[in-house]
Amino acid sequence: GAVVSQHPSWVICKSGTSVKIECRSLDFQATTMFWYRQFPKQSLMLMATSNEGSKATYEQGVEKDKFLINHASLTLSTLTVTSAHPEDSSFYICSAQRGGPNEKLFFGSGTQLSVL
Amino acid sequence: QKEVEQNSGPLSVPEGAIASLNCTYSDRGSQSFFWYRQYSGKSPELIMFIYSNGDKEDGRFTAQLNKASQYVSLLIRDSQPSDSATYLCAVNLGAAGNKLTFGGGTRVLVKP
Repeated sequence: GAVVSQHPSWVICKSGTSVKIECRSLDFQATTMFWYRQFPKQSLMLMATSNEGSKATYEQGVEKDKFLINHASLTLSTLTVTSAHPEDSSFYICSAQRGGPNEKLFFGSGTQLSVL
Repeated sequence: QKEVEQNSGPLSVPEGAIASLNCTYSDRGSQSFFWYRQYSGKSPELIMFIYSNGDKEDGRFTAQLNKASQYVSLLIRDSQPSDSATYLCAVNLGAAGNKLTFGGGTRVLVKP
């Protein structure tokens, strides 16, 4: 199956710093990638849809200036959590779409962010 | 009303028995339906997807879709302890692209 690589797997940072998370589709080109956040014992909540070469589409309630998304190529999308605070501590997961609508999504391995 | 609803569980199943998981969704225009398995601290992995009414079988897993009732289910036959995980139902609401909406997940415990 398709492989989506996400890095880093975990990160601990101080409050006020910024953290960048990378999501790469290793064996296919992904015109669309999705970023999810998951708090403990809760389901995945979609944060934004990342489209190659254009601005990301953010879900309601997600601050676009805090969660910067860049989809610079067909195989790479990045999520930067700016000025992180403890409440941003969560499990962040990316997914990539191979093909058109209704095609399967492939998930990265996730990034556990802990903000001290 | 949540867009995708699941019983949170836990669903306790003896080893070798059938685990039955249910999911309902609110949007009649939904196009495709997915079941993911998620182990604690890991990202979801796709188990099954189904687009058409009826049953779809893959190994020990069977997905059942009833669009009229807005209901999708997952059966796990011959449950194994390694099946213990949270199972997430995801629905493509069909609005735009492949934006999935996830249910809250059902935690399954398979007891030896």
